[in-house]
Amino acid sequence: QKEVEQDPGPLSVPEGAIVSLNCTYSNSAFQYFMWYRQYSRKGPELLMYTYSSGNKEDGRFTAQVDKSSKYISLFIRDSQPSDSATYLCATQAGTALIFGKGTTLSVSS
Amino acid sequence: EADIYQTPRYLVIGTGKKITLECSQTMGHDKMYWYQQDPGMELHLIHYSYGVNSTEKGDLSSESTVSRIRTEHFPLTLESARPSHTSQYLCASSEWVGGGPSETQYFGPGTRLLVL
Repeated sequence: QKEVEQDPGPLSVPEGAIVSLNCTYSNSAFQYFMWYRQYSRKGPELLMYTYSSGNKEDGRFTAQVDKSSKYISLFIRDSQPSDSATYLCATQAGTALIFGKGTTLSVSS
Repeated sequence: EADIYQTPRYLVIGTGKKITLECSQTMGHDKMYWYQQDPGMELHLIHYSYGVNSTEKGDLSSESTVSRIRTEHFPLTLESARPSHTSQYLCASSEWVGGGPSETQYFGPGTRLLVL
């Protein structure tokens, strides 16, 4: 079983939709969870992170962690065409970050 | 905004050639990393460095080597490129930000390597 699992999509939504991106992880010892956004031909950029369980909100983005089910989510409200990118969930294990495969999101105007 | 640079951005090269992928950061970060990313697959750590003269292999076995002679510079070298080395290589650096993950990593734009 991979340490972080993520459905690669692709996911296509109309502008203004609420988007839900999800990952599961296997190791209950993981504490920090991150979401990176990667535009085509670019490197990943950190979008937001959460520690342990709970929610964190930043503008139109909300990250959520449910440690009981080992489930992490990123919600995007009022999605925009500029949100079209690949979203990577990640967790930290020692020195390294462990990434999911990424979900490719396309928001059409 | 992260200041981490990679050159070249794209490289097409023949089998057997020696190549060096450059990575530089101007943020003064001690820790630097190389990841390999294939389409539709996870990023995998292949090398990392905690500082000058420190290099370690990552989780994914790689035939590449790295060096860290200066804080800002972390080049990756392939002595003899093969088609199996075709991939995207991403460089990153990190700092510890109080109250956040101990590794807030900033990524460069990547080098897409194609070995014919």
